[in-house]
Amino acid sequence: AQSVTQLDSQVPVFEEAPVELRCNYSSSVSVYLFWYVQYPNQGLQLLLKYLSGSTLVKGINGFEAEFNKSQTSFHLRKPSVHISDTAEYFCAVSDSAASGGSYIPTFGRGTSLIVHP
Amino acid sequence: NAGVTQTPKFQVLKTGQSMTLQCAQDMNHEYMSWYRQDPGMGLRLIHYSVGAGITDQGEVPNGYNVSRSTTEDFPLRLLSAAPSQTSVYFCASRSTSDPRHEQFFGPGTRLTVL
Repeated sequence: AQSVTQLDSQVPVFEEAPVELRCNYSSSVSVYLFWYVQYPNQGLQLLLKYLSGSTLVKGINGFEAEFNKSQTSFHLRKPSVHISDTAEYFCAVSDSAASGGSYIPTFGRGTSLIVHP
Repeated sequence: NAGVTQTPKFQVLKTGQSMTLQCAQDMNHEYMSWYRQDPGMGLRLIHYSVGAGITDQGEVPNGYNVSRSTTEDFPLRLLSAAPSQTSVYFCASRSTSDPRHEQFFGPGTRLTVL
């Protein structure tokens, strides 16, 4: 079974400051990892994903994430945030072995990023 | 492409009423799913489908029914609404069951049960 823990429910930060949103996962097999963003009153959209290869993944809007297998983490970072980055961010994991129900992703509980002027 | 569409955007029901939340996608995606989003709980899977005629239960299926008669549509039925079903409901689709592919989400239906 797989699980995802987003360690912070809320992260307040000032505009132009760096930010890191933390995500840890547990799984008995190799995984695929995703970050989704949900802007107010909208559905989720993909920010970035890790499938294999380079552990540093770049996504849209200047975000990047680093896969760390030994620490089972996939933290999301941005060097300088904007007011428009205020949103809910979800980490998700899928087992790489596509059998049975394992292709169903598991989502974390979300981290609310609040960017102050 | 319209992507994933959901109707209605908002709905208020009385306890015991039934209703259907509509979801449609025009991307010819095989895999479709329904989630509910509650504060502090993230997204919880209600039901999913890997193709027309095939559905299965997710984490929180009680009180909900689904069917998949076409590739495009995946309606969610509330049989007898309860206040505990007050939530925001999201439909999502993916091109295949392949977990490497991203999911595309609809804009959501905000449901209140009084």
